[in-house]
Amino acid sequence: AQSVTQLDSQVPVFEEAPVELRCNYSSSVSVYLFWYVQYPNQGLQLLLKYLSGSTLVKGINGFEAEFNKSQTSFHLRKPSVHISDTAEYFCAVSGGSNYKLTFGKGTLLTVNP
Amino acid sequence: DTEVTQTPKHLVMGMTNKKSLKCEQHMGHRAMYWYKQKAKKPPELMFVYSYEKLSINESVPSRFSPECPNSSLLNLHLHALQPEDSALYLCASSQPGVDRFGSYTFGSGTRLTVV
Repeated sequence: AQSVTQLDSQVPVFEEAPVELRCNYSSSVSVYLFWYVQYPNQGLQLLLKYLSGSTLVKGINGFEAEFNKSQTSFHLRKPSVHISDTAEYFCAVSGGSNYKLTFGKGTLLTVNP
Repeated sequence: DTEVTQTPKHLVMGMTNKKSLKCEQHMGHRAMYWYKQKAKKPPELMFVYSYEKLSINESVPSRFSPECPNSSLLNLHLHALQPEDSALYLCASSQPGVDRFGSYTFGSGTRLTVV
C-alpha cells in the first residue's frame, strides 16, 4: 500500500514570494507521484507528475517538484507566486496499473497582496 | 474536446428520492472514476471503471450504484441517501498506459445536498 503525507495544512505567503509545499510518501513498491490543484468550487487539475527519469519535474503555471528517493519526498515549489495561485494543493501517489490514486490531505496556499 | 462534463452542478434531494449524476467525456479515455469529496478533505475514491467494466469498488454502500453504459458516459445512481452523503461528487477519466498513471482529467463536480 502507498500513502502520502502533506506536512502543512495551510501556507500563507505574500505575492511574489517563493513557496514550497511539502509532501512525503510511503510505498513498498515503485511509485508514481503527482501534484493536483483545486481552485474554489472547481474540480482538480493536474499540475505535474513524476513517473521515472529526471527527478526535477516541471509543470504548468511555473510550478516544479523534485523527487527525492532517499528522503521519500516530492516537494512542490514556485519561485514567485501570484494572487491567482491561491488554491488547495493535493499531493497524490499511485502504485501503478490498478488506476488507483491516493491523495494527501491537502495544503491550502493563500497568497496575500 | 479535453473536458469532463458533469451534470447537474447542484442537486438537492430528499432521503426517499432517487436521482442520478451524469459524467461525460469525449477524449477517448477508457478509465473513468467517481470520487467523493467532503468539505476541507481530499477526494476519496468510490468506483473505477476500466474499459466499461467495474474494476474497483471501495466498499461503497449499495445506495450508490454506478453504471457505465458506454466508453464516454458514467452515471451514479442515488437512492435512499443519508444527510452525511452530502458532498461534492467528482468524476474523472484517464487513458490506460504506463505514461498515463494518475494523469486524470476531472470534471467540476456535482454538489449534492441530502435533506
